[in-house]
Amino acid sequence: SQQGEEDPQALSIQEGENATMNCSYKTSINNLQWYRQNSGRGLVHLILIRSNEREKHSGRLRVTLDTSKKSSSLLITASRAADTASYFCAFSGYSTLTFGKGTMLLVSP
Amino acid sequence: DVKVTQSSRYLVKRTGEKVFLECVQDMDHENMFWYRQDPGLGLRLIYFSYDVKMKEKGDIPEGYSVSREKKERFSLILESASTNQTSMYLCASRATVTTNQPQHFGDGTRLSIL
Repeated sequence: SQQGEEDPQALSIQEGENATMNCSYKTSINNLQWYRQNSGRGLVHLILIRSNEREKHSGRLRVTLDTSKKSSSLLITASRAADTASYFCAFSGYSTLTFGKGTMLLVSP
Repeated sequence: DVKVTQSSRYLVKRTGEKVFLECVQDMDHENMFWYRQDPGLGLRLIYFSYDVKMKEKGDIPEGYSVSREKKERFSLILESASTNQTSMYLCASRATVTTNQPQHFGDGTRLSIL
């Protein structure tokens, strides 16, 4: 399987600013998911967008999916210090997920 | 909430040892997964299981085996540990085989092979 690519690898912003992370993939997908990982912990599921959806919202999170460009973006609005974590996209084939390498987000107070 | 529990947060073993990593989930999920996570490489799938006594190879199964004798428990076995298996190991579960569901992760086992 082929991993997704995430951009940027690292992002540093101030509290209150918006953070945008991008993910690209190479194969056709059933859905694309975003996960968060706090330092030294497991991954936590944030949001899932199906291949026939273009945009989805959950609280301060907005995810877009462009299947023609094979790309997705995660927007975190009004970021908080507690949003500091690594964020991973994962795209879904038939039965398993393929994870990207992640974006490290640092939100400074 | 789904709880996925990995038996050890940190583990140190010696080269050549047989190592068992245990994972238990409490939500009667059918599917379970083992990943390893390495800096710069992200998460890579080692093995997964659709149901009891079923297993499928992931992307990097070499040097590993798995066991799923009960639905709630999925064990990863390093038959003869080597230093290149030093890594963070993450277990996950998912309710059913349909991929339109999230995976739920444990907190990981950081394994060092000396």
